[in-house]
Amino acid sequence: GAVVSQHPSWVICKSGTSVKIECRSLDFQATTMFWYRQFPKQSLMLMATSNEGSKATYEQGVEKDKFLINHASLTLSTLTVTSAHPEDSSFYICSAGGVVNQPQHFGDGTRLSIL
Amino acid sequence: DAKTTQPPSMDCAEGRAANLPCNHSTISGNEYVYWYRQIHSQGPQYIIHGLKNNETNEMASLIITEDRKSSTLILPHATLRDTAVYYCIAPSEGYQKVTFGTGTKLQVIP
Repeated sequence: GAVVSQHPSWVICKSGTSVKIECRSLDFQATTMFWYRQFPKQSLMLMATSNEGSKATYEQGVEKDKFLINHASLTLSTLTVTSAHPEDSSFYICSAGGVVNQPQHFGDGTRLSIL
Repeated sequence: DAKTTQPPSMDCAEGRAANLPCNHSTISGNEYVYWYRQIHSQGPQYIIHGLKNNETNEMASLIITEDRKSSTLILPHATLRDTAVYYCIAPSEGYQKVTFGTGTKLQVIP
């Protein structure tokens, strides 16, 4: 079945560092991918919609200059957390789905810890 | 997206059927109902989806009421590995974006 791969699975870095997370659709093309963030004991919160070949669409309250999204090919979207700080520590998850009215497929998530 | 309402938590004995309800009274005629689950510290996993008819796959069964205002996800023989948060979602027609509510935390008890 369709698989979405996310890398890295976890990362620990110092405050002020920029961190890039990759999301790949392995056996299908995805013109649209989605990025979520999840804090402990909370539900997933949609951050942005990643659009292949065009600018991402951000949800209200999400800083586009803080969370840079690039979707340069039909199988890869990247999320870069710029100048990360401890409050950016969270579980980041991507999803992709190739066809309307079909389910989304989710990556295994990236646990980001900023010291 | 149609608003969905789920109980915050449920317990189920191992080996028994787990029946997870979901209300979606504002769902429109062409909006599908999707079920996902999230096991601790993992990404969400797709379980099943349906429009009007009941559906069954290797993981679960989905029973949708005739008026489509509610549905029930059935795990026929729950195992400890089924302990997870289960999300019922009814996205707008044709829309791929998935918006998560608080879901039902299912605890399977030995």
